Parts: sequence; C-alpha cells; structure tokens
Amino acid sequence: DQQVKQNSPSLSVQEGRISILNCDYTNSMFDYFLWYKKYPAEGPTFLISISSIKDKNEDGRFTVFLNKSAKHLSLHIVPSQPGDSAVYFCAASYYSGGYQKVTFGTGTKLQVIP
Amino acid sequence: NAGVTQTPKFQVLKTGQSMTLQCAQDMNHNSMYWYRQDPGMGLRLIYYSASEGTTDKGEVPNGYNVSRLNKREFSLRLESAAPSQTSVYFCASSPGNSNQPQHFGDGTRLSIL
Repeated sequence: DQQVKQNSPSLSVQEGRISILNCDYTNSMFDYFLWYKKYPAEGPTFLISISSIKDKNEDGRFTVFLNKSAKHLSLHIVPSQPGDSAVYFCAASYYSGGYQKVTFGTGTKLQVIP
Repeated sequence: NAGVTQTPKFQVLKTGQSMTLQCAQDMNHNSMYWYRQDPGMGLRLIYYSASEGTTDKGEVPNGYNVSRLNKREFSLRLESAAPSQTSVYFCASSPGNSNQPQHFGDGTRLSIL
C-alpha cells in the first residue's frame, strides 16, 4: 500500500513558466510534509516543508500548498529555471513514540527547457 | 561542513559476499536512517535508529543488519549479498525530537553480480 503517491513520473516545462508537481497521501496521521530535490549522483536535499496547520508555505520561487481534505499537496516553482531540472520527492511524516516516521513518494523528474 | 558522509561511494560484490556500508554525521543528530532507492520505487526505509543505542526495522529490512556504533555513526551490513540488493543506498540523519527535515549523504551505489 503506497501511502504517498506521485502520479507523474516526469514533467517538462519551458524556462520562465510555472512548474507544478503533485503529491497525494492516504494516511491521516501524516502532519508534516516535505519536498526534496535530487540531482544525479547526489543525495536528496531538503527544499521546503509545510505543517498540517497551514495550507501554504512560500520560500522564494518555491511554494507548497496543502489541501488536507483532499489529502493533496503540490509544489509550485515560479519562474522555472534550467537549474531546477532534477528529481523531486514528496514526503509525509508524523512524530510518535520518539520517532519521526517518514514516507517518500516515487519522485517526479522535472526537466526545464531553456 | 561535511553533514552526512557515506563510504564507499561505489562497490561491486559477488553474490554471497558480505559488506558493511559506513555512515557518519557531524550535526549531533539523534536519529539516523538507512534507505534504498530503486527505479520507480522511491526511497524505502531499511532500518532506523531513533537514538543512540536503539535500532528498529523499517519497510524492507530482510537481508540487512545495522549497528549504531555511537551517536555519530550508523552502519549497514549485508551478510550474504544477493542480486536483489543491487541498489543505491542512502544514509540520513535528523534531530529526532520532532518533525524536521532529514539530511542525506550522497549515497553508495552497490552492484551485486
């Protein structure tokens, strides 16, 4: 049972336009959501997060939106730049019993075309 | 500012050989994790250590063992490698006292023939 799903394996966007990456989750216990960015031959790096008490969090060109009723979150990148080309992982977590349980999606490969 | 360091970066093993993957963090984090990444599967948790002295199984623990040597170091051992364990292995750490981002190493690419 895949608790965190990224249904689009890949996405191509023109430079300067908006990139929208989507993620769905099923476990109602998740209360903290993250996006990671991964370049080839490197480890994932943290990009942006959002707590379940919010519906939007913004950091420069990156904005994450959370719709709790739909169990859906999205990452908006505006404007998209060629350096944004990478694999983006959505993750969802909750903290219980001294342990943060984190579940990752399968990733979306973003290509920003110059 | 090393963060999370994994060694080796690449390794080729024959079926049945054993190997230990090393991981060390310098951020004074309590929690450490081992993941494997396979095409189309995302990151799957193998084992984790919520704090020094404790380890627990994750989603895909079969064929692996771990040791939390001290607060800094968390190793992953393959006792008898199998081709199904060909993967990229990532170690991560986090403060461990609340919901916070994990910090990842650059991975170990392991091939088992």
